[in-house]
Amino acid sequence: NAGVTQTPKFRILKIGQSMTLQCTQDMNHNYMYWYRQDPGMGLKLIYYSVGAGITDKGEVPNGYNVSRSTTEDFPLRLELAAPSQTSVYFCASTQTGAMNTEAFFGQGTRLTVV
Amino acid sequence: AQKVTQAQTEISVVEKEDVTLDCVYETRDTTYYLFWYKQPPSGELVFLIRRNSFDEQNEISGRYSWNFQKSTSSFNFTITASQVVDSAVYFCALSALMDSSYKLIFGSGTRLLVRP
Repeated sequence: NAGVTQTPKFRILKIGQSMTLQCTQDMNHNYMYWYRQDPGMGLKLIYYSVGAGITDKGEVPNGYNVSRSTTEDFPLRLELAAPSQTSVYFCASTQTGAMNTEAFFGQGTRLTVV
Repeated sequence: AQKVTQAQTEISVVEKEDVTLDCVYETRDTTYYLFWYKQPPSGELVFLIRRNSFDEQNEISGRYSWNFQKSTSSFNFTITASQVVDSAVYFCALSALMDSSYKLIFGSGTRLLVRP
Protein backbone atom coordinates (compact mmCIF):
# COMPACT_ATOMS: atom_id res chain seq x y z
CA ASN A 1 0.00 0.00 0.00
CA ALA A 2 1.92 3.03 -1.28
CA GLY A 3 -0.30 5.80 0.18
CA VAL A 4 0.67 9.19 -1.30
CA THR A 5 3.52 9.19 -3.79
CA GLN A 6 5.29 12.31 -5.04
CA THR A 7 7.80 12.66 -7.83
CA PRO A 8 10.44 13.90 -8.22
CA LYS A 9 12.07 14.03 -4.78
CA PHE A 10 14.53 16.75 -5.78
CA ARG A 11 14.68 19.25 -8.62
CA ILE A 12 16.71 22.30 -9.57
CA LEU A 13 15.05 24.74 -11.96
CA LYS A 14 16.32 27.86 -13.64
CA ILE A 15 14.32 31.06 -13.34
CA GLY A 16 11.54 31.11 -15.92
CA GLN A 17 11.46 27.35 -16.47
CA SER A 18 8.33 25.35 -15.91
CA MET A 19 7.71 21.97 -14.35
CA THR A 20 5.03 19.69 -12.97
CA LEU A 21 5.20 18.06 -9.58
CA GLN A 22 3.39 14.76 -9.65
CA CYS A 23 1.22 13.38 -6.86
CA THR A 24 -0.77 10.19 -6.82
CA GLN A 25 -2.65 8.36 -4.06
CA ASP A 26 -4.03 4.85 -3.96
CA MET A 27 -6.41 5.21 -1.02
CA ASN A 28 -9.39 6.40 -3.09
CA HIS A 29 -9.44 9.67 -1.15
CA ASN A 30 -11.59 12.42 -2.57
CA TYR A 31 -9.69 15.30 -0.98
CA MET A 32 -6.18 16.21 -2.03
CA TYR A 33 -3.93 19.12 -1.11
CA TRP A 34 -0.68 20.80 -2.04
CA TYR A 35 1.37 22.53 0.64
CA ARG A 36 4.69 24.30 0.62
CA GLN A 37 7.03 24.24 3.57
CA ASP A 38 9.43 27.11 4.03
CA PRO A 39 12.02 27.17 6.84
CA GLY A 40 10.47 28.30 10.11
CA MET A 41 7.11 28.90 8.46
CA GLY A 42 5.21 25.66 8.79
CA LEU A 43 3.10 24.39 5.91
CA LYS A 44 1.03 26.73 3.78
CA LEU A 45 -1.84 25.50 1.61
CA ILE A 46 -1.39 26.21 -2.10
CA TYR A 47 -4.33 24.46 -3.74
CA TYR A 48 -6.79 21.76 -2.84
CA SER A 49 -9.33 19.53 -4.53
CA VAL A 50 -12.52 17.99 -3.16
CA GLY A 51 -12.89 15.53 -5.99
CA ALA A 52 -12.11 14.86 -9.62
CA GLY A 53 -12.74 17.95 -11.71
CA ILE A 54 -12.93 20.31 -8.73
CA THR A 55 -10.04 22.45 -7.52
CA ASP A 56 -9.75 25.61 -5.47
CA LYS A 57 -7.15 28.05 -4.23
CA GLY A 58 -5.60 27.86 -0.82
CA GLU A 59 -3.63 30.46 1.07
CA VAL A 60 -0.70 30.93 -1.37
CA PRO A 61 -1.83 30.00 -4.92
CA ASN A 62 0.04 32.64 -6.96
CA GLY A 63 2.47 31.17 -9.48
CA TYR A 64 0.90 27.71 -9.42
CA ASN A 65 -1.80 25.76 -11.20
CA VAL A 66 -3.41 22.40 -10.57
CA SER A 67 -5.70 19.94 -12.26
CA ARG A 68 -7.63 16.92 -11.05
CA SER A 69 -8.75 14.72 -13.91
CA THR A 70 -8.83 11.53 -11.82
CA THR A 71 -9.36 10.69 -8.16
CA GLU A 72 -5.81 9.37 -7.90
CA ASP A 73 -3.75 12.19 -9.41
CA PHE A 74 -3.28 15.82 -8.44
CA PRO A 75 -0.36 17.43 -10.28
CA LEU A 76 0.98 20.88 -9.39
CA ARG A 77 2.28 23.05 -12.21
CA LEU A 78 4.81 25.87 -11.95
CA GLU A 79 4.72 27.91 -15.16
CA LEU A 80 7.46 30.50 -14.70
CA ALA A 81 9.69 29.46 -11.84
CA ALA A 82 10.90 32.19 -9.52
CA PRO A 83 13.42 32.07 -6.65
CA SER A 84 10.53 32.69 -4.22
CA GLN A 85 9.21 29.24 -5.17
CA THR A 86 12.25 27.53 -3.71
CA SER A 87 10.65 25.34 -1.07
CA VAL A 88 9.69 21.82 -0.10
CA TYR A 89 6.36 20.80 -1.55
CA PHE A 90 4.05 18.28 0.04
CA CYS A 91 1.04 16.57 -1.39
CA ALA A 92 -1.56 15.19 1.01
CA SER A 93 -4.91 13.45 0.91
CA THR A 94 -7.84 12.92 3.25
CA GLN A 95 -10.78 10.60 3.04
CA THR A 96 -13.27 13.37 3.78
CA GLY A 97 -13.36 17.10 4.45
CA ALA A 98 -14.52 16.56 8.03
CA MET A 99 -12.81 18.36 10.89
CA ASN A 100 -11.41 15.19 12.43
CA THR A 101 -10.02 13.61 9.31
CA GLU A 102 -6.41 12.47 9.32
CA ALA A 103 -4.18 13.66 6.49
CA PHE A 104 -1.73 11.37 4.69
CA PHE A 105 1.36 13.01 3.25
CA GLY A 106 3.83 12.21 0.53
CA GLN A 107 7.57 12.38 1.15
CA GLY A 108 7.91 15.81 -0.36
CA THR A 109 9.66 17.40 -3.34
CA ARG A 110 12.58 19.71 -2.61
CA LEU A 111 12.64 22.38 -5.32
CA THR A 112 15.39 24.93 -5.81
CA VAL A 113 15.00 27.77 -8.31
CA VAL A 114 18.26 29.41 -9.33
CA ALA B 1 -8.31 34.51 13.57
CA GLN B 2 -7.28 30.89 13.15
CA LYS B 3 -3.68 30.41 14.14
CA VAL B 4 -1.26 27.93 15.66
CA THR B 5 1.88 29.07 17.44
CA GLN B 6 4.83 26.85 18.28
CA ALA B 7 7.20 29.24 19.97
CA GLN B 8 10.05 26.74 20.35
CA THR B 9 11.98 26.66 17.09
CA GLU B 10 14.49 24.06 18.17
CA ILE B 11 15.05 21.97 21.29
CA SER B 12 18.09 19.87 22.04
CA VAL B 13 18.09 17.27 24.81
CA VAL B 14 20.21 14.35 25.89
CA GLU B 15 18.75 10.89 25.53
CA LYS B 16 16.47 9.82 28.40
CA GLU B 17 15.52 13.37 29.27
CA ASP B 18 11.85 14.35 29.22
CA VAL B 19 10.89 17.10 26.81
CA THR B 20 7.69 19.12 26.26
CA LEU B 21 6.77 20.73 22.98
CA ASP B 22 4.41 23.68 23.32
CA CYS B 23 1.45 24.49 21.10
CA VAL B 24 -0.88 27.45 21.49
CA TYR B 25 -3.82 28.00 19.17
CA GLU B 26 -6.43 30.61 18.32
CA THR B 27 -9.78 29.76 16.79
CA ARG B 28 -13.20 31.34 16.40
CA ASP B 29 -14.87 27.90 16.31
CA THR B 30 -16.53 26.38 19.34
CA THR B 31 -15.92 22.86 18.04
CA TYR B 32 -12.57 21.99 16.57
CA TYR B 33 -9.84 19.39 16.37
CA LEU B 34 -6.15 19.67 17.11
CA PHE B 35 -3.46 17.40 15.71
CA TRP B 36 0.19 16.58 16.14
CA TYR B 37 2.31 15.36 13.23
CA LYS B 38 5.91 14.14 13.23
CA GLN B 39 8.30 14.84 10.34
CA PRO B 40 11.29 12.50 10.62
CA PRO B 41 14.46 13.04 8.55
CA SER B 42 12.92 10.99 5.73
CA GLY B 43 10.59 13.93 5.11
CA GLU B 44 6.99 12.80 5.14
CA LEU B 45 4.64 13.99 7.86
CA VAL B 46 3.24 11.24 10.05
CA PHE B 47 0.04 11.60 12.05
CA LEU B 48 0.47 11.16 15.81
CA ILE B 49 -2.77 12.18 17.49
CA ARG B 50 -5.98 14.15 17.14
CA ARG B 51 -8.03 15.68 19.96
CA ASN B 52 -11.44 17.29 19.83
CA SER B 53 -12.31 20.43 21.72
CA PHE B 54 -14.78 18.68 24.02
CA ASP B 55 -12.29 16.17 25.36
CA GLU B 56 -9.83 17.68 27.82
CA GLN B 57 -8.59 14.41 29.21
CA ASN B 58 -4.88 13.89 28.89
CA GLU B 59 -3.82 11.21 26.45
CA ILE B 60 -0.92 8.84 26.98
CA SER B 61 0.53 6.49 24.41
CA GLY B 62 3.69 4.77 25.57
CA ARG B 63 6.33 7.47 26.08
CA TYR B 64 4.13 10.12 24.47
CA SER B 65 1.54 12.18 26.30
CA TRP B 66 -0.58 15.15 25.37
CA ASN B 67 -2.03 17.82 27.62
CA PHE B 68 -4.99 19.75 26.22
CA GLN B 69 -6.09 22.81 28.17
CA LYS B 70 -8.92 24.80 26.67
CA SER B 71 -8.58 27.54 29.28
CA THR B 72 -5.12 28.42 28.01
CA SER B 73 -5.71 27.34 24.37
CA SER B 74 -2.81 24.94 24.56
CA PHE B 75 -2.17 21.41 23.36
CA ASN B 76 1.27 20.44 24.58
CA PHE B 77 3.17 17.26 23.74
CA THR B 78 5.54 15.54 26.15
CA ILE B 79 8.02 12.81 25.33
CA THR B 80 9.20 10.90 28.38
CA ALA B 81 12.65 9.30 28.38
CA SER B 82 13.47 10.64 24.95
CA GLN B 83 15.34 8.50 22.43
CA VAL B 84 17.51 9.36 19.45
CA VAL B 85 14.72 8.09 17.15
CA ASP B 86 12.49 10.87 18.47
CA SER B 87 14.66 13.40 16.63
CA ALA B 88 12.33 15.06 14.13
CA VAL B 89 10.32 18.17 13.43
CA TYR B 90 6.98 18.16 15.21
CA PHE B 91 3.99 20.12 13.95
CA CYS B 92 0.86 21.08 15.80
CA ALA B 93 -2.17 21.76 13.60
CA LEU B 94 -5.71 23.05 13.93
CA SER B 95 -8.62 21.93 11.79
CA ALA B 96 -10.41 25.04 10.51
CA LEU B 97 -13.49 25.42 8.31
CA MET B 98 -12.67 27.14 5.03
CA ASP B 99 -14.91 27.11 1.95
CA SER B 100 -17.22 24.35 3.18
CA SER B 101 -14.55 21.87 4.17
CA TYR B 102 -11.96 21.63 6.88
CA LYS B 103 -8.31 22.39 6.26
CA LEU B 104 -5.29 22.06 8.49
CA ILE B 105 -3.58 25.17 9.78
CA PHE B 106 -0.07 24.30 10.86
CA GLY B 107 2.26 25.83 13.37
CA SER B 108 5.81 26.57 12.30
CA GLY B 109 7.10 23.36 13.84
CA THR B 110 9.60 22.51 16.57
CA ARG B 111 12.78 20.72 15.65
CA LEU B 112 13.74 18.23 18.35
CA LEU B 113 17.27 16.89 18.50
CA VAL B 114 17.91 14.04 20.91
CA ARG B 115 21.63 13.51 21.46
CA PRO B 116 23.04 10.15 22.56
